[in-house]
Amino acid sequence: RKEVEQDPGPFNVPEGATVAFNCTYSNSASQSFFWYRQDCRKEPKLLMSVYSSGNEDGRFTAQLNRASQYISLLIRDSKLSDSATYLCVVTLLNTGNQFYFGTGTSLTVIP
Amino acid sequence: DGGITQSPKYLFRKEGQNVTLSCEQNLNHDAMYWYRQDPGQGLRLIYYSQIVNDFQKGDIAEGYSVSREKKESFPLTVTSAQKNPTAFYLCASSADRGRDNEQFFGPGTRLTVL
Repeated sequence: RKEVEQDPGPFNVPEGATVAFNCTYSNSASQSFFWYRQDCRKEPKLLMSVYSSGNEDGRFTAQLNRASQYISLLIRDSKLSDSATYLCVVTLLNTGNQFYFGTGTSLTVIP
Repeated sequence: DGGITQSPKYLFRKEGQNVTLSCEQNLNHDAMYWYRQDPGQGLRLIYYSQIVNDFQKGDIAEGYSVSREKKESFPLTVTSAQKNPTAFYLCASSADRGRDNEQFFGPGTRLTVL
């Protein structure tokens, strides 16, 4: 069983739309959670960390549900520049900060 | 500017040859990581190192080797024993500061075996 599962999409949405991605994780001992963004043929870059209380950064909101073992990313007012693959990441306790990546969700924002 | 560099950006190799991918960071990070990414798949951990002169196997270490002689450098050798070496290889580093240790990635090396 994979540590992290994501819907690969693709999600094709018009500019200005709101889109949400979910990610489930299998290990209840998962410690830290992140969303990374990866542009085509580039390296992943941190979009935001995900905290138990939820956190917001401009148009982006991340939430964690430990009871159901999923994290979510909400993007409001989508821009063309949001087109990318979004990677869900979890770490496990006592694994030396090993990252476990989902396969990524592809988003294309259409004019 | 601080960051992680990987070289070369593109690498072509003949079957049966070993090849070494470079990864250097000037972020003063203790931990470094090597991942492999195949089309449509997530990143998979090959090796990681939390401190100089020490490293551990990740999920797919077979056919690869690493060294960590200096804090700044973590080269990866893809040996001829690796059955499917064509992939995008990403190096990352992180500081040892407890929770929420963001990993910073280099630009990657695309390896193609001919």
